[in-house]
Amino acid sequence: DAGVIQSPRHEVTEMGQEVTLRCKPISGHDYLFWYRQTMMRGLELLIYFNNNVPIDDSGMPEDRFSAKMPNASFSTLKIQPSEPRDSAVYFCASKMGAKGYEQYFGPGTRLTVT
Amino acid sequence: QKEVEQNSGPLSVPEGAIASLNCTYSDRGSQSFFWYRQYSGKSPELIMSIYSNGDKEDGRFTAQLNKASQYVSLLIRDSQPSDSATYLCAVSKEDTGRRALTFGSGTRLQVQP
Repeated sequence: DAGVIQSPRHEVTEMGQEVTLRCKPISGHDYLFWYRQTMMRGLELLIYFNNNVPIDDSGMPEDRFSAKMPNASFSTLKIQPSEPRDSAVYFCASKMGAKGYEQYFGPGTRLTVT
Repeated sequence: QKEVEQNSGPLSVPEGAIASLNCTYSDRGSQSFFWYRQYSGKSPELIMSIYSNGDKEDGRFTAQLNKASQYVSLLIRDSQPSDSATYLCAVSKEDTGRRALTFGSGTRLQVQP
């Protein structure tokens, strides 16, 4: 079975540009999570969805960040405008809520904002 | 106080030895506990989950949970150089609300050949 798929794997952009990160969860999983990892702050939750509905967005740093899940197989995380402090690795993870609590991570998107 | 605390290491053990990794958490409502392994430049990989007090064994790995002491540990027996990675402890509160994981900062393990 395919795991969580993320694209792009690497993104380099200039400050002020819009960035869109994409995620396809494991088929049948009804929870989707976006995390960010930096050296300073470690791995932290940004937002998560259940059945395509945002449940907890308390980790979204500010209005420049937005996330959507238009259907069960696709989610986006958008940063507009991007800033150098947004440079990090962004991970998407999914889980099947009814059958277990384990989350499975995608390969991540390494974002560099210059 | 951080919600999940781990010693950052590095923890250095010789090949074949037992590596012991520890984690404490502050929220007594935490119900699910996980250990992830993360190689440099890679994503976290789930290696163990534990939900009740006691020990859970899977191959060379044993997870231990003590909810009264708010303590989780991971033992790796017969450590191999390929076990060298950062080990992340994570907790969640599945049944009472927040289903996202809260992670510790990770312990870097080095297994010396």
